[in-house]
Amino acid sequence: KAGVTQTPRYLIKTRGQQVTLSCSPISGHRSVSWYQQTPGQGLQFLFEYFSETQRNKGNFPGRFSGRQFSNSRSEMNVSTLELGDSALYLCASSLGFPNPTDTQYFGPGTRLTVL
Amino acid sequence: AQSVTQLDSQVPVFEEAPVELRCNYSSSVSVYLFWYVQYPNQGLQLLLKYLSGSTLVKGINGFEAEFNKSQTSFHLRKPSVHISDTAEYFCAVSAVGISSGSARQLTFGSGTQLTVLP
Repeated sequence: KAGVTQTPRYLIKTRGQQVTLSCSPISGHRSVSWYQQTPGQGLQFLFEYFSETQRNKGNFPGRFSGRQFSNSRSEMNVSTLELGDSALYLCASSLGFPNPTDTQYFGPGTRLTVL
Repeated sequence: AQSVTQLDSQVPVFEEAPVELRCNYSSSVSVYLFWYVQYPNQGLQLLLKYLSGSTLVKGINGFEAEFNKSQTSFHLRKPSVHISDTAEYFCAVSAVGISSGSARQLTFGSGTQLTVLP
């Protein structure tokens, strides 16, 4: 079974631009979560989706948004990019309705660099 | 809210030596506990998790961890490390029994870089 895939793997943008990142969960998985990983702040939760609905959101500004499609694929969007948005963005999928006992399977991430 | 402290940011150890990576947490409610590993240029992979029951949890690749409720710790151990264990290790928690979506959120520690030396 294929793992979680994220596209693109690397992205370079300039300040003020916007960016869209994509995540395809493991086949059959219906929950998708997004995390931001930076050297300074570590791993921080962005948001989680199940059945095309956002179920939980972390403490990030409104410039960060996401959505989930009927096939469980998810996208996240960052508008008006800032230098501090440079990070590794990780997507994780799990099987069913959000449940903390379910294992989350992580993708390899998208490395975003903002110049 | 929960918080996780990984006491060592870097742990160098010689091959075939034992290793312990320390993790302490703080929470006002009961928690589930996890250890993840991240190899260079890869995502996170679950090593093991504690949900309930026996406080000694065995995971993949020969790792184990022990939950100590009184000391609010969940240290990761391996009796004999290999070069291929070189990676960053993250301890994480999530809250038990919270009905809202926030229960799902993983709170991570800052990570411990394990470097196995030949």
